[in-house]
Amino acid sequence: SAVISQKPSRDICQRGTSLTIQCQVDSQVTMMFWYRQQPGQSLTLIATANQGSEATYESGFVIDKFPISRPNLTFSTLTVSNMSPEDSSIYLCSVVFGNSNQPQHFGDGTRLSIL
Amino acid sequence: QKEVEQDPGPLSVPEGAIVSLNCTYSNSAFQYFMWYRQYSRKGPELLMYTYSSGNKEDGRFTAQVDKSSKYISLFIRDSQPSDSATYLCAMIRGGSNYQLIWGAGTKLIIKP
Repeated sequence: SAVISQKPSRDICQRGTSLTIQCQVDSQVTMMFWYRQQPGQSLTLIATANQGSEATYESGFVIDKFPISRPNLTFSTLTVSNMSPEDSSIYLCSVVFGNSNQPQHFGDGTRLSIL
Repeated sequence: QKEVEQDPGPLSVPEGAIVSLNCTYSNSAFQYFMWYRQYSRKGPELLMYTYSSGNKEDGRFTAQVDKSSKYISLFIRDSQPSDSATYLCAMIRGGSNYQLIWGAGTKLIIKP
């Protein structure tokens, strides 16, 4: 099965700084997604990052705060900008292999703590 | 009202018991149904993916879909302590616009 790698796996950052999270897939995919998950809670979709188009953000998330790049079919980055303690969370990328009715597959996430 | 309802638990059962996890949904447009397992400090792992009403079995796991009642279940037979995790249901609407909706997740604890 395909491997989805996220870097870094965890980080502790100072408020006001920015962090870029990388997601690498070992096969080509069209659809990629970025989620946030608070401990003990379900997943909240931040944005959809399909190659060849601008990322689509969900309500409550804006590009200035969470800029996304999708330069090719195997890679994406999510930047968390001007971080505050409220941004402390787990950030996950997921991908869909095949057509639009297929399930998502996840990396192991990035645990982010803001001091 | 949420589109997908799932009891967050925790659900605690003794080792060897049959576990039943459930989700209900309100929108009949959902066509594809999934169960994910998430261990602490890991990403969600796909367990089961089903389309039609009925049962799908994979080892100790059985996924059941009842579209007429808008109800899905995951059964775990001969539960093991290693099954302790959070189980999330998820659903995809049919059509060209991909949209996946998550349940809240149920925390399952299997006691040795």
